[in-house]
Amino acid sequence: DVKVTQSSRYLVKRTGEKVFLECVQDMDHENMFWYRQDPGLGLRLIYFSYDVKMKEKGDIPEGYSVSREKKERFSLILESASTNQTSMYLCASSGGSPWGNTIYFGEGSWLTVV
Amino acid sequence: GNSVTQMEGPVTLSEEAFLTINCTYTATGYPSLFWYVQYPGEGLQLLLKATKADDKGSNKGFEATYRKETTSFHLEKGSVQVSDSAVYFCALTPWGETSGSRLTFGEGTQLTVNP
Repeated sequence: DVKVTQSSRYLVKRTGEKVFLECVQDMDHENMFWYRQDPGLGLRLIYFSYDVKMKEKGDIPEGYSVSREKKERFSLILESASTNQTSMYLCASSGGSPWGNTIYFGEGSWLTVV
Repeated sequence: GNSVTQMEGPVTLSEEAFLTINCTYTATGYPSLFWYVQYPGEGLQLLLKATKADDKGSNKGFEATYRKETTSFHLEKGSVQVSDSAVYFCALTPWGETSGSRLTFGEGTQLTVNP
């Protein structure tokens, strides 16, 4: 069964804290993504990765970084959390075939920065 | 750049009503088009997709036709159920890009179906 697992569903962090959001997929997918979801804005791509140790900036990378040390794991890092990063974060993955493959999403992580 | 525009929500319908959620896009060439659904408390699931003009995607009674001439991909269902209550997202992958890369999403449309 397809599975993208995000380690934390709900987090509350203080301004200035370093925050790690972890994502693991069990489908041996090459591609992994981090999106944030905000009301009225839909989903916006933060970073993505096509391979281990590889990363590419998405549309809104400012204030974020990522790490992909193993194929199945893709971490989103907020170096110094701010209140405008309060949001729902969604991890996703897809296979390496020619385009048209399905993207699978995790259940999301609700982050509140106070 | 690429963009997706969905009809404003929320949408509230009675059970067995006809559903249309409008989606139009801006992109060069022939993007792939998708509808994703997000049930309460869950992540997004692919509902249907179409990869070339005039293709019709269908799943679970939902349909959408890729209309290149009007740059649209409207979602329809003939008879909605309470269990269809969810947020629906229209999305595209740019023409020529590899699988799943750089999905661009619309704002999402909240659908509530009352018994």
